Amino acid sequence: NAGVTQTPKFRVLKTGQSMTLLCAQDMNHEYMYWYRQDPGMGLRLIHYSVGEGTTAKGEVPDGYNVSRLKKQNFLLGLESAAPSQTSVYFCASRLDSSYNEQFFGPGTRLTVL
Amino acid sequence: AQKITQTQPGMFVQEKEAVTLDCTYDTSDPSYGLFWYKQPSSGEMIFLIYQGSYDQQNATEGRYSLNFQKARKSANLVISASQLGDSAMYFCAMSQGRDDKIIFGKGTRLHILP
Repeated sequence: NAGVTQTPKFRVLKTGQSMTLLCAQDMNHEYMYWYRQDPGMGLRLIHYSVGEGTTAKGEVPDGYNVSRLKKQNFLLGLESAAPSQTSVYFCASRLDSSYNEQFFGPGTRLTVL
Repeated sequence: AQKITQTQPGMFVQEKEAVTLDCTYDTSDPSYGLFWYKQPSSGEMIFLIYQGSYDQQNATEGRYSLNFQKARKSANLVISASQLGDSAMYFCAMSQGRDDKIIFGKGTRLHILP
């Protein structure tokens, strides 16, 4: 099992460009999450999904969109990147609400110039 | 509103001593879960321990225990006999029953001194 994988690992964008971050899990988990981590701010929840075809807003959803067309994939999109979106992005998955542990991906380091 | 607070930005502890990392939370939902994660300098997130709001006993996992004081809304992590490898960032997190989102505190950076 690969667990949770994230693509790409690093990316540099110019302001206004768009991109999609891919999160994939092979554990048949229902729940998936996107977080951003910034120095001194901890992990902040961007969007999450409790099942295929469903998404919900987290704490900091503005400027991001997500899609969960397939159970194993959770995509995070930036339509028009801004320097404030420079961050490390983590994806996580969880079997369901009865299971305690979130499994995290290795992170994606995004820089917006 | 759901909220997690970690008031210690950083801590320095002598090797082999016990460590307590503070975490307080706020929620109006009677059903919630509390998590602790470790993030070493390599960046990965490592799950340590979980406590459910209805669990009667404090959770323990090896050298980690969670001091759950429901009335005070605190969920402190206790690491017994600290080791140099415990140096890392530690995050407290919470889920609540209504919407299943999991939010994190800002973290505490722990330094273990030889």
